[in-house]
Amino acid sequence: NAGVTQTPKFQVLKTGQSMTLQCAQDMNHNSMYWYRQDPGMGLRLIYYSASEGTTDKGEVPNGYNVSRLNKREFSLRLESAAPSQTSVYFCASIPGAGGNRGAHDEQFFGPGTRLTVL
Amino acid sequence: GDSVTQMEGPVTLSEEAFLTINCTYTATGYPSLFWYVQYPGEGLQLLLKATKADDKGSNKGFEATYRKETTSFHLEKGSAQVSDSAVYFCALRTDSWGKLQFGAGTQVVVTP
Repeated sequence: NAGVTQTPKFQVLKTGQSMTLQCAQDMNHNSMYWYRQDPGMGLRLIYYSASEGTTDKGEVPNGYNVSRLNKREFSLRLESAAPSQTSVYFCASIPGAGGNRGAHDEQFFGPGTRLTVL
Repeated sequence: GDSVTQMEGPVTLSEEAFLTINCTYTATGYPSLFWYVQYPGEGLQLLLKATKADDKGSNKGFEATYRKETTSFHLEKGSAQVSDSAVYFCALRTDSWGKLQFGAGTQVVVTP
């Protein structure tokens, strides 16, 4: 049981390049999330998926797209990377699919992807 | 909107000293409150949580009490250890979709 896994661990891009960050969980969780972590700002939600086949915007969605490929996988795509997207990206998941239970579920986090855009 | 405010770090203290990190929040609903910890080079792990007013969460010697009257959820540990050196995040959740609102994080450094 690996929990939440993310690839790659590190990536350097040039401005304008595209890439996809991969996230997978093997806990049969319903909801998945993408956050970015920046110094002094904590973690901010980019997108989330409350269940397979659905995605919704979070606090900072501009410049990103997501795909909930199946119940296990939730990918984050940067179509045209910008230096402002230099950050550490975390994927997380919870068992719940919304409703009261989702309010109390613990979020399980992956180890993160450190992205630098030059 | 909802927000979380934590004391700024870094907080530096000696081993066995009392550790406290202040956290206050603003929320329109009745949030669940969480403390997450991030060790160097790792993702976040849940440390403790409280789901309603006056609940006390506890884990690994850490405690925090959900104070609705002061909108606070301060983290405390009676005797800090070097292994407690990490970044601590206070967070709240008000909706049923599991979305978390995080504070900026507080780095704690415990020296031998």
